[in-house]
Amino acid sequence: QMQLVQSGPEVKKPGTSMKVSCKASGFTFSNSAMQWVRQARGQRLEWIGWIVVGSGSTKYAQKFQERVTITRDMSTSTASMELSSLRSEDTAVYYCAAGSGTFDFWGQGTLVTVSS
Amino acid sequence: DIQMTQSPSSLSASVSDRVTISCRASQGISNSLAWYQHKPGKAPKFLLYAASRLESGVPSRFSGSGSGTDYTLTISSLQPEDFATYYCQQYYTTPYTFGQGTKVEI
Repeated sequence: QMQLVQSGPEVKKPGTSMKVSCKASGFTFSNSAMQWVRQARGQRLEWIGWIVVGSGSTKYAQKFQERVTITRDMSTSTASMELSSLRSEDTAVYYCAAGSGTFDFWGQGTLVTVSS
Repeated sequence: DIQMTQSPSSLSASVSDRVTISCRASQGISNSLAWYQHKPGKAPKFLLYAASRLESGVPSRFSGSGSGTDYTLTISSLQPEDFATYYCQQYYTTPYTFGQGTKVEI
């Protein structure tokens, strides 16, 4: 069945970078779009950006434009999201999801904690 | 950015109740609206798209309606497995935005 499996939880220091991976299976990865959202405790879901896997074309929310990079590796059917210059406000659960516009199915989420 | 506002933020209901959740967009979104169900510790689940179209495998007790800026998710007869938080999301334009969630509790 269609599945997205994300990398494990991370603890990061302010000012450093994080990278979360998302391995896809059960569908044609190269024909998909992969999106990333996050949810801080008590906050609503927040869209970060997406990548069209086949072309590698990306689009990011303006809020993250300067700090985020979304990539994909078609040889391993894996999408990744890297966020730099971390601050405490970036502490959140990060989700990958497959879909274009809608989030058709989701990874299990990765908790990233930013703390000194 | 398009702001999405859900109401209520939480509600208490019983099994077999009819439940209605509202979602309002800050501008017209031409039915480009999706609904998700989220249980603690689990991945969110995609329920409906295009305001009223049920995703494959989603029980028919879930339905959606609305147009313009105002949309509704209805659960016709609440089941034990439906206790969760529900989110609306607009995909009319980026940045895609979500409502703040409605927690359906016993």
